[in-house]
Amino acid sequence: SYVLTQPPSVSVAPGQTARITCGGNNIGSKSVHWYQQKPGQAPVVVVYDDSDRPSGIPERFSGSNSGNTATLTISRVEAGDEADYYCQVWDNNSDHPGVFGTGTKVTVL
Amino acid sequence: QVQLVQSGAEVKKPGASVKVSCKASGYTFTGYYMHWVRQAPGQGLEWMGWINPNSGVTNYAQKFQGWVTMTRDTSITTVYMALTRLRSDDTAVYYCAGSTRIAAPFDVWGQGTMVTVSS
Repeated sequence: SYVLTQPPSVSVAPGQTARITCGGNNIGSKSVHWYQQKPGQAPVVVVYDDSDRPSGIPERFSGSNSGNTATLTISRVEAGDEADYYCQVWDNNSDHPGVFGTGTKVTVL
Repeated sequence: QVQLVQSGAEVKKPGASVKVSCKASGYTFTGYYMHWVRQAPGQGLEWMGWINPNSGVTNYAQKFQGWVTMTRDTSITTVYMALTRLRSDDTAVYYCAGSTRIAAPFDVWGQGTMVTVSS
């Protein structure tokens, strides 16, 4: 099945930029969705279809996708951005088409 | 507003079965595919499958085929996920999540149902 690899953790100071990568074979040919999950809560989509933002999500959240890597960028990081982040794609050629990345814990220093 | 409300926590013994419900409100029930995603304690998210509430057609991850069943009752706008032959490593929070098309993002989630499998 298709594998998505994320760094386990990213640390960033308030006001700085956090970049979270999601690696997968030719992921640039797929649409990538990104979710934020805070402790004890259900995930929330923050970026979909590589770079679109749902209404209500700050412009500080942006995404890109090319080649073998998709990236979620959080600009001007705030304490409230501390959470786990997961990338997700659909791989219709797989026996497990709904695929989540391994997850990244973002810590705001 | 669009809302998914799941049934309460369950404690089961190994080998037993569990059925979790997810009641939808605030939108046309047949307008969202309903997925089930689980998360073991301290672990990541795992997609299990989806059901089309309009037709009842399902698609399960191969890992779960043969022991998960997703159904729906359109009269009460509720979908169900049943898991049989439970093992301790099935202990997890189970979420229902809706998407407007199969590959669309999951833009609405239930609150999660904790299923604990323990002897």
